[in-house]
Amino acid sequence: IAGITQAPTSQILAAGRRMTLRCTQDMRHNAMYWYRQDLGLGLRLIHYSNTAGTTGKGEVPDGYSVSRANTDDFPLTLASAVPSQTSVYFCASQAAAGDTGELFFGEGSRLTVL
Amino acid sequence: GQNIDQPTEMTATEGAIVQINCTYQTSGFNGLFWYQQHAGEAPTFLSYNVLDGLEEKGRFSSFLSRSKGYSYLLLKELQMKDSASYLCAVEDSNYQLIWGAGTKLIIKP
Repeated sequence: IAGITQAPTSQILAAGRRMTLRCTQDMRHNAMYWYRQDLGLGLRLIHYSNTAGTTGKGEVPDGYSVSRANTDDFPLTLASAVPSQTSVYFCASQAAAGDTGELFFGEGSRLTVL
Repeated sequence: GQNIDQPTEMTATEGAIVQINCTYQTSGFNGLFWYQQHAGEAPTFLSYNVLDGLEEKGRFSSFLSRSKGYSYLLLKELQMKDSASYLCAVEDSNYQLIWGAGTKLIIKP
């Protein structure tokens, strides 16, 4: 693994189903983020984690949950998917929260909820 | 509320120069980022400004005026591969990134 990896890259699922998007980084970054990107809108923060064991809510957290059991992994779970959650989801990491350094993004997970 | 404004779309000619503007109103300011995003791909880092002035990096330069809440990204000697969306993001007082919707840049031969 080099950098930050997301899985799956694409998924279609029925409304009401549970779905977990996986995110793993090997850069030992403390801060990790989940964004959704929708046409015509900027990246919107769903949840974040400043360090292993802690998480926080972003701008659009409803319907999503996260966990940060260790430094490397930051899964995003949709407990009961709805069509409005159709989007492209990006996981990102940063050396430390508030760092002036860049965010590193995964390749994205395109999710379609029918 | 917090707001980042960028033009939705711009068109330029290969070999020319283009300036993409970004204006912002945020709760505090800890820095401004520019990212490039090709269609279907992840955003990649281009530049970071925290002090007023111009930062030059090869064909790309980024300018910041904190008093005006304004930044621009300048792309010189445009190449076809520069066709992409350019995202402006401001780090607010809580170190949260606020993102603009992005500017889609179309390069014509």
